[in-house]
Amino acid sequence: DAGVIQSPRHEVTEMGQEVTLRCKPISGHNSLFWYRQTMMRGLELLIYFNNNVPIDDSGMPEDRFSAKMPNASFSTLKIQPSEPRDSAVYFCASSPTGAMTEAFFGQGTRLTVV
Amino acid sequence: AQSVTQLGSHVSVSEGALVLLRCNYSSSVPPYLFWYVQYPNQGLQLLLKYTTGATLVKGINGFEAEFKKSETSFHLTKPSAHMSDAAEYFCAVRDSASKIIFGSGTRLSIRP
Repeated sequence: DAGVIQSPRHEVTEMGQEVTLRCKPISGHNSLFWYRQTMMRGLELLIYFNNNVPIDDSGMPEDRFSAKMPNASFSTLKIQPSEPRDSAVYFCASSPTGAMTEAFFGQGTRLTVV
Repeated sequence: AQSVTQLGSHVSVSEGALVLLRCNYSSSVPPYLFWYVQYPNQGLQLLLKYTTGATLVKGINGFEAEFKKSETSFHLTKPSAHMSDAAEYFCAVRDSASKIIFGSGTRLSIRP
C-alpha cells in the first residue's frame, strides 16, 4: 500500500485566498484525522471522521476552516479566506476502526500564507 | 477527557548513553498508548504501542516503553543512543471516542 497520500506537499498562497488540502487515506481504514502542527501549539487535532462522518470537529479553529469526506478514499481541508497565522504543516492520518489501532500519517502539507 | 503530558521539550544525551523520554497520561478508561517519532520534514512514524497484555512493549530501532498504571506513565527508553535517534518524539493516547491525542513532543539531540 502506498500509505496516506497528501497533496500538495507545499503550498504558498496570499492572504485572503482559498486553500484546499487533499488526503487519500489507506484503503480499508475507517477513521481519518486532520492535524495541524506549529512550533507554538504542537500537534493539534482539527477534526476526526469515522466512516466518512465527522465525529468531532471541536479542534477546528474557526469558521474559515471546513473539512469534508465525500467518500472513503478522499478528504479535503479547506481554508477560506486564508490568513498568515494559518501557516503550519497540516497532516492527514488514517486508521482501521478500533481504539487499539494506531494512526498512519501522511507526509504533510506545508502551508505558507503571505 | 484523556490527555498526555510529556516532561521536557528537549532532551540531550551523549551517543551510547541511556535515552529516557517521559510521558504521563490521564484517562478514565484503560488507555491505549503510543509513541511516535518524527524526523525533519517527515510525517509521524509509529515506534511502539501498548494496548493490552505485557506492560513492557518493544518497538523499532531498539526502543521500548513500560506501561505503569499506578504511576499513569508510559516512559520511552533506549539503552544506548545512536546519532540517528535524533528526532522529535511524541506520546499519544487513544480515547474512548477513538480520538488520538498527542503530547507536546520532546526533541531528542545526540551529542557525539
